[in-house]
Amino acid sequence: NAGVTQTPKFQVLKTGQSMTLQCAQDMNHEYMSWYRQDPGMGLRLIHYSVGAGITDQGEVPNGYNVSRSTTEDFPLRLLSAAPSQTSVYFCASSYTLPGLATNEKLFFGSGTQLSVL
Amino acid sequence: GIQVEQSPPDLILQEGANSTLRCNFSDSVNNLQWFHQNPWGQLINLFYIPSGTKQNGRLSATTVATERYSLLYISSSQTTDSGVYFCAVGETGANNLFFGTGTRLTVIP
Repeated sequence: NAGVTQTPKFQVLKTGQSMTLQCAQDMNHEYMSWYRQDPGMGLRLIHYSVGAGITDQGEVPNGYNVSRSTTEDFPLRLLSAAPSQTSVYFCASSYTLPGLATNEKLFFGSGTQLSVL
Repeated sequence: GIQVEQSPPDLILQEGANSTLRCNFSDSVNNLQWFHQNPWGQLINLFYIPSGTKQNGRLSATTVATERYSLLYISSSQTTDSGVYFCAVGETGANNLFFGTGTRLTVIP
């Protein structure tokens, strides 16, 4: 198993450009999520999905869109990039929702370092 | 959302020393996980431990759910233990985990 695969690893954008961060998992996980990591702030949830066709907002959803057309893929779209979106982005997946006491761990991709100039 | 506080924020150890990292949380949880972010940025899941004690080699973790804290013990530290350790918690029925701001561990040879 490859686990959780994110692409690209690095990206530089100009303000106003759009782009899509790709995330795929091959573990048949129902739950997928996107976090951003900023210095001194830990990881904050952007969007999550509990299955194909089902998505919802997290703590910091503004400026981002997601869709979940298949179990495997969960892309994150930046609609019009802003310098405030400069961050490291992580995709994560788990077999079940974090709130279910099922002993299922959360697995992370390797991250995408995004700079918006 | 639930508040997660980790201490200490920074820790510098000599190789071979032991350490204890602490995670306090503000409400009842049924999901608590410890992660290690290595110097290359990769996040590795260490433990799923909403209560009780687990051990994995030189690492062990204890969560006292009734008192709302968890401890991560690292014994005989090695330089490869360096990085940031995160605690993340989830409430019953929650759709996400809330992360603390981490403890940055530096192990010097």
